[in-house]
Amino acid sequence: KAGVTQTPRYLIKTRGQQVTLSCSPISGHRSVSWYQQTPGQGLQFLFEYFSETQRNKGNFPGRFSGRQFSNSRSEMNVSTLELGDSALYLCASSLDQGFDGYTFGSGTRLTVV
Amino acid sequence: AQSVTQLDSQVPVFEEAPVELRCNYSSSVSVYLFWYVQYPNQGLQLLLKYLSGSTLVKGINGFEAEFNKSQTSFHLRKPSVHISDTAEYFCAVSVQSYKLIFGSGTRLLVRP
Repeated sequence: KAGVTQTPRYLIKTRGQQVTLSCSPISGHRSVSWYQQTPGQGLQFLFEYFSETQRNKGNFPGRFSGRQFSNSRSEMNVSTLELGDSALYLCASSLDQGFDGYTFGSGTRLTVV
Repeated sequence: AQSVTQLDSQVPVFEEAPVELRCNYSSSVSVYLFWYVQYPNQGLQLLLKYLSGSTLVKGINGFEAEFNKSQTSFHLRKPSVHISDTAEYFCAVSVQSYKLIFGSGTRLLVRP
């Protein structure tokens, strides 16, 4: 059974650009969440999608957005990148019947220069 | 609002010694509790979880944790650690929702 797949693994972008990260959940998982991990702020919840609808949202500016497709694959987008957006972005998926934890992907390491 | 406190940022221990990583949470309602491990340049791997039932939870790689509702704690233990257990460990809480709140992490450093 394939795990959660995130692409790309590494990304370097310039300040002011935008970026799109992709996540394919475990087959059968319909809930997909995104987390940002930085040395200073730790692991912070970005948003959660279920059946193509954003169900929960963290405290991030509107430059951070996401979406989920009918096959449960998800993308997150960050526009007008800032140096502080450099982080490991983690995607996680879960079953849709009763939350019992997430399975995480290996993450996308974004560096903004 | 819920929060998670991991009391130790780093725990050094010798190989084959026992270890306890401490986690306290604050919540006025019932919670689900989790421990995840992160190896360098990797994502998070679930070690164990408490949803309900027995307060002693056994996980992978010989780890276990005990849920203590009165002390709002969920400490992680292993009776004998290996070099390969060197990693960052995160405690997390969920209030029966699809959102995890993480602690700041504890770096376990196992020395030979």
